[in-house]
This record gives sequence, C-alpha cells and structure tokens, in this order.
Amino acid sequence: DSGVTQTPKHLITATGQRVTLRCSPRSGDLSVYWYQQSLDQGLQFLIQYYNGEERAKGNILERFSAQQFPDLHSELNLSSLELGDSALYFCASTRTPTGLGTEAFFGQGTRLTVV
Amino acid sequence: SQQGEEDPQALSIQEGENATMNCSYKTSINNLQWYRQNSGRGLVHLILIRSNEREKHSGRLRVTLDTSKKSSSLLITASRAADTASYFCATDGGGSGTYKYIFGTGTRLKVLA
Repeated sequence: DSGVTQTPKHLITATGQRVTLRCSPRSGDLSVYWYQQSLDQGLQFLIQYYNGEERAKGNILERFSAQQFPDLHSELNLSSLELGDSALYFCASTRTPTGLGTEAFFGQGTRLTVV
Repeated sequence: SQQGEEDPQALSIQEGENATMNCSYKTSINNLQWYRQNSGRGLVHLILIRSNEREKHSGRLRVTLDTSKKSSSLLITASRAADTASYFCATDGGGSGTYKYIFGTGTRLKVLA
C-alpha cells in the first residue's frame, strides 16, 4: 500500500459527460502529480500541484482541469468526454515540490471507460 | 513527447535467467528512477540513481547509468515468475526547477515458470 488513495477505482460514462477523479496523497506529502496511461502506453504527465499551487503542466487538454485543496487532496476534472479519453488515470505524491531525488508514490489508479 | 524510451519493448525469459532492459533519455537529468507496474495497477518504485552515480544495487536489481550516452540499464538477476510486469524508467528532466517525472514507454517482462 503506497498510502496514496484514488477514487473511484472504475468509472464508466458516456461521451460528452463530465467526471471528477479524486486523489488523497500520502500523509505529509505536499505535491501531487496526475498522469494518464492509455492502453499499453507509457505514462503521460498531465499536471502537478504543490501545496495548493499549480507547478507544472504537461500534455493536459483544455477539457481537463485540476486543483489541489487546502487539505491537500486533489481532483482531476474531465469534461466533454471522448472515446479517446478512456485510460488509466494515476495520481502520485511526493514530499517536495521538485521531486529531485525523491521517490514518487503512486495510487492504484482510476480506470475510466468512455462509451 | 516521452523523455525516455525503454528497450526492448517486450522481453520473455525463463525463470532463473537474468533480464536486462535499457532506457534512453533525451535531456540532462538530476536522477533517474525505475518503476514496476503489475498489469493495470499502480507503479511501484524500485530504485533511484543520481546523475553522479554509475551503478547501484538493491537486492536482485542492478542499475547502471551512463550520462554521456544518456542511457540506463536495469538488470534483474535470477528472475522469478513474480517479476512479470512492465518496467518504466523515469527522469526528472534536469535543471533546478523541474517538477515532473517523465516516463518512458516501458518494457513488458514475462518470466515463464
């Protein structure tokens, strides 16, 4: 158990809908990262937050947004869903904002299926 | 675009054999990490090697780093069926202000009992 909790584990929704994925980082970790993993693909970095502030942005679509709340949990909002958004969405957390020399702890992911 | 590329993409070996997978990356780094992912599950951290280190060991794992070639290798000795998983390298992109882990495309390892 990494200590990072993601909910829900599975989500099935229709095209055009909006969903929210939730991540609770490990106790004491201030930094949260979101990744998308499509079938048999590597992990694509989406966005990173540190202590409530956005720190880095990757290949995140405009239809997607995220935020980190004062209690440090984070939510990833996906809207106007398309079939191609079907993927595993992972959250990871670290203690530091830079991640330099720091192990990232991953949650078990949310499997999103858009039908 | 992906920072790292693992090679081979897939590897199938017999239990007890050694497995070697390679990772190449594009920019300078501060450190490089290897992760394991069991099918459809979260990633588990295996080992971290800093840019000023050339080799590191952890149990049956041996990691090397060649910053001049921008490459790293992960060796798993005396493999077991439980080692069957995908293995990813992750780099930090170098510099002092980088905030993201950049993953390669992964090597799918299958260890046959």
